[in-house]
Amino acid sequence: NAGVTQTPKFRVLKTGQSMTLLCAQDMNHEYMYWYRQDPGMGLRLIHYSVGEGTTAKGEVPDGYNVSRLKKQNFLLGLESAAPSQTSVYFCASRDPGPSSGANVLTFGAGSRLTVL
Amino acid sequence: AQKITQTQPGMFVQEKEAVTLDCTYDTSDPSYGLFWYKQPSSGEMIFLIYQGSYDQQNATEGRYSLNFQKARKSANLVISASQLGDSAMYFCAMRGVGTASKLTFGTGTRLQVTL
Repeated sequence: NAGVTQTPKFRVLKTGQSMTLLCAQDMNHEYMYWYRQDPGMGLRLIHYSVGEGTTAKGEVPDGYNVSRLKKQNFLLGLESAAPSQTSVYFCASRDPGPSSGANVLTFGAGSRLTVL
Repeated sequence: AQKITQTQPGMFVQEKEAVTLDCTYDTSDPSYGLFWYKQPSSGEMIFLIYQGSYDQQNATEGRYSLNFQKARKSANLVISASQLGDSAMYFCAMRGVGTASKLTFGTGTRLQVTL
């Protein structure tokens, strides 16, 4: 099925380890986003990209890096994981579209990360 | 800055009854969009309904309707004829103008539909 695919779905890390979450979309969307979801806090934007080769900081970027070397892929990296980064991570994508349109975000299924 | 407030952490509703989930927002953008997403226990985010700030009529999608009161800055979700499958977390979100038109989410309301 077309959509947004996140890998891995689950991961357990030790404090200080590094890892990369991969997001791949096959809808040729320009915009891609990484959110984290924590209990009682909704979804918060970590980083986003408006096109291949571009990235920008969101609301909670500290401790994360991203890259968008190919239009269809958006990578989220944790260089030195901390317990505070235990969360569920969602990738999403959309096209710019007219500002008056719904232009809905398409979400991946989420990646549950636990840092011990 | 944009802000979305959902003041109901949890709600109960009986099957076949209607329920309203509250959402208020704050923004200085003249043009914006309001969204509702559903997150069942399986975890995926499902788009339900959208309302543009300049739309004259309230949005409806099947059993979902959005009660948009611009002067009060509220965008409540109304679910009619609740079903057991409506039990889920519901998030209100807003998109303003600007680069990438990022979505800002509320903290969510957990709805439980009972027999």
